[in-house]
Amino acid sequence: EPEVTQTPSHQVTQMGQEVILRCVPISNHLYFYWYRQILGQKVEFLVSFYNNEISEKSEIFDDQFSVERPDGSNFTLKIRSTKLEDSAMYFCASSGYQETQYFGPGTRLLVL
Amino acid sequence: GENVEQHPSTLSVQEGDSAVIKCTYSDSASNYFPWYKQELGKRPQLIIDIRSNVGEKKDQRIAVTLNKTAKHFSLHITETQPEDSAVYFCAASPTDSWGKLQFGAGTQVVVTP
Repeated sequence: EPEVTQTPSHQVTQMGQEVILRCVPISNHLYFYWYRQILGQKVEFLVSFYNNEISEKSEIFDDQFSVERPDGSNFTLKIRSTKLEDSAMYFCASSGYQETQYFGPGTRLLVL
Repeated sequence: GENVEQHPSTLSVQEGDSAVIKCTYSDSASNYFPWYKQELGKRPQLIIDIRSNVGEKKDQRIAVTLNKTAKHFSLHITETQPEDSAVYFCAASPTDSWGKLQFGAGTQVVVTP
């Protein structure tokens, strides 16, 4: 069964550094999402992406965040200047049109 | 925007008993309600979902009910087993923001043998 994959599984960075989190969605899906989950808390929506543009974004997704589909398979989340409070698990998800979202295994980001 | 409340936050059940988790939502435009199971350190995995055109859906030991008038939906797990132990999240998504899942705070379910 196809799955969403994410790299790296863990990322440690210094405050103020840029990080790029990578995702490979399920191949026939056209809708892509990023969520984050601070330890012990609920999953929070960040952004949805379709047809090479952002469809929706939450108030968390400020100017420090950007997403990109650089080629036919990858979907990336960039945090331009990381803050301590960006430490969280970041999940990528993908879906078909108005269908179930399938989540990747996550990238645990730790900002020191 | 949508706000999803989930109760209880923790639920302990004896193996073989039933577990019920309840969620309420605020946006009457929401029409898609998935439930995800998340084991420690793992990805959320869909266990069942329901759309607003039906009131109940069942898949083996798992069922979901939806009351659109009252804006609440519930997850029912029957004949619980130790492997049902996990955190369960409900979520809601409105038609005009499909994909923007708003999650509840989660319920830690512990099934004791």
